[in-house]
Amino acid sequence: KAGVTQTPRYLIKTRGQQVTLSCSPISGHRSVSWYQQTPGQGLQFLFEYFSETQRNKGNFPGRFSGRQFSNSRSEMNVSTLELGDSALYLCASSLDGGTVRKLFFGSGTQLSVL
Amino acid sequence: AQTVTQSQPEMSVQEAETVTLSCTYDTSESDYYLFWYKQPPSRQMILVIRQEAYKQQNATENRFSVNFQKAAKSFSLKISDSQLGDAAMYFCAYRSGAQGGSEKLVFGKGTKLTVNP
Repeated sequence: KAGVTQTPRYLIKTRGQQVTLSCSPISGHRSVSWYQQTPGQGLQFLFEYFSETQRNKGNFPGRFSGRQFSNSRSEMNVSTLELGDSALYLCASSLDGGTVRKLFFGSGTQLSVL
Repeated sequence: AQTVTQSQPEMSVQEAETVTLSCTYDTSESDYYLFWYKQPPSRQMILVIRQEAYKQQNATENRFSVNFQKAAKSFSLKISDSQLGDAAMYFCAYRSGAQGGSEKLVFGKGTKLTVNP
């Protein structure tokens, strides 16, 4: 069974641009979460989707948004990029969001904002 | 809000020896879950071990075990017979039991473990 796939692996953007990151969960998983990882702030929860609905949201500005499609694939978008948005963005999926399940993480997208 | 603190930014251990990574957390909840995740250079977070707060027995997974002290809000990870492949960043994480089905985790800042041959 394929793991969680995140594309692209690396991305370089300039300030003011927008970016879209993609996450394909493990087949059958309906819950997808996104985290931002930086050396200074560590791992911070962005948002979580379950069956195309946002179930939970972290404390990030409105420039950060996401969505989930009917096949459970998820995208996150960051508009008007700032230098501080440079980070590793990790996606995780789980089988069923209704109970505490094991989270499976992807290898992340490394975003650099110049 | 819950917080997770890992006071050891870096640790090192000799191959085949035992090492303990520390984690403390702050919460007013009684229902929660604690996790240790490993992040090797490949960047993929891997679940090492999990503990339910309502369980008094400490969780064990092969060479990995935890010392869960609920009253002290402490959750340390012990790695026995350390192997070179154990070298990685280790993150302690907290999940509230009062967030419905959400899998939101609160992470500590991590401990970088080096294993010396």
